[in-house]
Amino acid sequence: ETGVTQSPTHLIKTRGQQVTLRCSSQSGHNTVSWYQQALGQGPQFIFQYYREEENGRGNFPPRFSGLQFPNYSSELNVNALELDDSALYLCASSYEQGRVNSPLHFGNGTRLTVT
Amino acid sequence: GDSVTQMEGPVTLSEEAFLTINCTYTATGYPSLFWYVQYPGEGLQLLLKATKADDKGSNKGFEATYRKETTSFHLEKGSVQVSDSAVYFCALRKSGGSNYKLTFGKGTLLTVNP
Repeated sequence: ETGVTQSPTHLIKTRGQQVTLRCSSQSGHNTVSWYQQALGQGPQFIFQYYREEENGRGNFPPRFSGLQFPNYSSELNVNALELDDSALYLCASSYEQGRVNSPLHFGNGTRLTVT
Repeated sequence: GDSVTQMEGPVTLSEEAFLTINCTYTATGYPSLFWYVQYPGEGLQLLLKATKADDKGSNKGFEATYRKETTSFHLEKGSVQVSDSAVYFCALRKSGGSNYKLTFGKGTLLTVNP
């Protein structure tokens, strides 16, 4: 069983640039969600994708956007990077079917540094 | 809105000591409760969960009981090991509908010394 994999592991960008982070979900999972974990804090929910559509969003501005592909992999895009976007970005996959939902399985994250 | 409050860390213990990390929550409805663990440089791993009142989740010697009357889900282990050193996160999640996201506490850093 393949777990959740994220790429790249580390990334350094300059303020104002754009970044794309990638995630491959665990085998058998149909839902992907993204979380931002600032240093010393708990993860904060960004959004979730199910069947290639965003079906939930946390308190993040529109410059945070995403995609989910037919194979359930996903991308997180952040435009106009700000210094406060520096964080560990975690992808999690799960299986959702009506009221049935499996626990989330997390990848090891992408460490984004904005300078 | 929903929230999770964990005891402030860091927590430093000697090997074989007893561990308690307090967690309380505020939520409408009947959330599922989780403990996740994060080892240095890694993502989150599910440690244990409980889906309804009075359920006890357990794994690797860790236990937590879902207490609806006190809205708590305290993590305990009778004898910690050096390898338990990590950050522990308490979290809640509602089931069904659009209530899908995990709401996390701020985390508690545990250091176990030999």
